[in-house]
Amino acid sequence: NAGVTQTPKFRVLKTGQSMTLLCAQDMNHEYMYWYRQDPGMGLRLIHYSVGEGTTAKGEVPDGYNVSRLKKQNFLLGLESAAPSQTSVYFCASTPFSGWRQPQHFGDGTRLSIL
Amino acid sequence: AQSVTQLDSHVSVSEGTPVLLRCNYSSSYSPSLFWYVQHPNKGLQLLLKYTSAATLVKGINGFEAEFKKSETSFHLTKPSAHMSDAAEYFCVVSDPMNYGGSQGNLIFGKGTKLSVKP
Repeated sequence: NAGVTQTPKFRVLKTGQSMTLLCAQDMNHEYMYWYRQDPGMGLRLIHYSVGEGTTAKGEVPDGYNVSRLKKQNFLLGLESAAPSQTSVYFCASTPFSGWRQPQHFGDGTRLSIL
Repeated sequence: AQSVTQLDSHVSVSEGTPVLLRCNYSSSYSPSLFWYVQHPNKGLQLLLKYTSAATLVKGINGFEAEFKKSETSFHLTKPSAHMSDAAEYFCVVSDPMNYGGSQGNLIFGKGTKLSVKP
């Protein structure tokens, strides 16, 4: 049982390049989330999804897009990378009745924008 | 508005001594509360959770936390620190009033780094 898997684990981009981060979960969870973690800031929610085909903005959505075409996958896209998007990105998931349930996290994607 | 405050950004203890990581929260409802641990270059792992049952919650690796509604606190403790406990710890609040809002359903504290000296 893999849980939440994020690919890639590391990536270096140049300013203006685009890329997609993939999150896959095998727990049949309805809700999925993308966070960014910066030193001293805790985790901040970028976008989230409450089910296949749905997405919603979180606290810091600017510069990112997401898609949830399949229930098990949640993609985070950077259309034109900026140095301010250098961060560690975490994906998480939780069951449908999630507000009392803990989120399950992947191991993160470390992204550097030069 | 809901919020979580971890009162110490860094705590240092000696191996074998008690650990106390402090967390205060504000919530408009009866929240769920969690503590997560993050080891270097790893994701967040759930240590324990409070979901309106017993106020003293036991977690993995000997950690426990007590929910005190009157003090709006959920401090994490461990009787005897081990070198492997060195990590960053996050206190997290889940509030149903916030569910589906722009913050999703979790509000994270900024983290406490625990150092354990030999």
